[in-house]
Amino acid sequence: AQSVTQPDIHITVSEGASLELRCNYSYGATPYLFWYVQSPGQGLQLLLKYFSGDTLVQGIKGFEAEFKRSQSSFNLRKPSVHWSDAAEYFCAVVVYGGSQGNLIFGKGTKLSVKP
Amino acid sequence: DAGVIQSPRHEVTEMGQEVTLRCKPISGHDYLFWYRQTMMRGLELLIYFNNNVPIDDSGMPEDRFSAKMPNASFSTLKIQPSEPRDSAVYFCASSPSDRAYNEQFFGPGTRLTVL
Repeated sequence: AQSVTQPDIHITVSEGASLELRCNYSYGATPYLFWYVQSPGQGLQLLLKYFSGDTLVQGIKGFEAEFKRSQSSFNLRKPSVHWSDAAEYFCAVVVYGGSQGNLIFGKGTKLSVKP
Repeated sequence: DAGVIQSPRHEVTEMGQEVTLRCKPISGHDYLFWYRQTMMRGLELLIYFNNNVPIDDSGMPEDRFSAKMPNASFSTLKIQPSEPRDSAVYFCASSPSDRAYNEQFFGPGTRLTVL
């Protein structure tokens, strides 16, 4: 069955440090992959997405992610974390059934930022 | 654009009561999704609509849950009777039909507490 795994439930980094959030997917066909961010009390906002082409994709707020087919991974990175990046991050894959795909989400990784 | 609007933002009710959650999608979006978020199960798709028609309701947990979309600008998710295990954050999301791959725009969510 299709699934998304985010192995880290909670990560704490210092402000200014680099960040990498891990995501592994299980899907038989070419995946369409997303990273969403959820700030406390808010809905989800799309950070970036991968459909095809360049495996390194750039998103909003200085985030990037790299698709590695051989590792079934789509890890999210940021070179220098800001305190405002503290939030929960969700990786998702589109699963196609019929004419419209459905998003399957990972359980999320909560990011805390130390001053 | 105002984005996806959900009401109420918070709902506290007693077990056995009927609960109705409301959603107004972004104008022009043909797809509408209802999700439930809990600590244990993460973010789960409950049901989605295309052009006001329910397409996939396989995620609806049981007959106590029902969803309607009487027109393109309004949808409801009803729980009758409510139970404490229904306590969760319920998100509505919408997506435009001309996007080949889902970019879903999420509302702020309704936090439901059933006592």
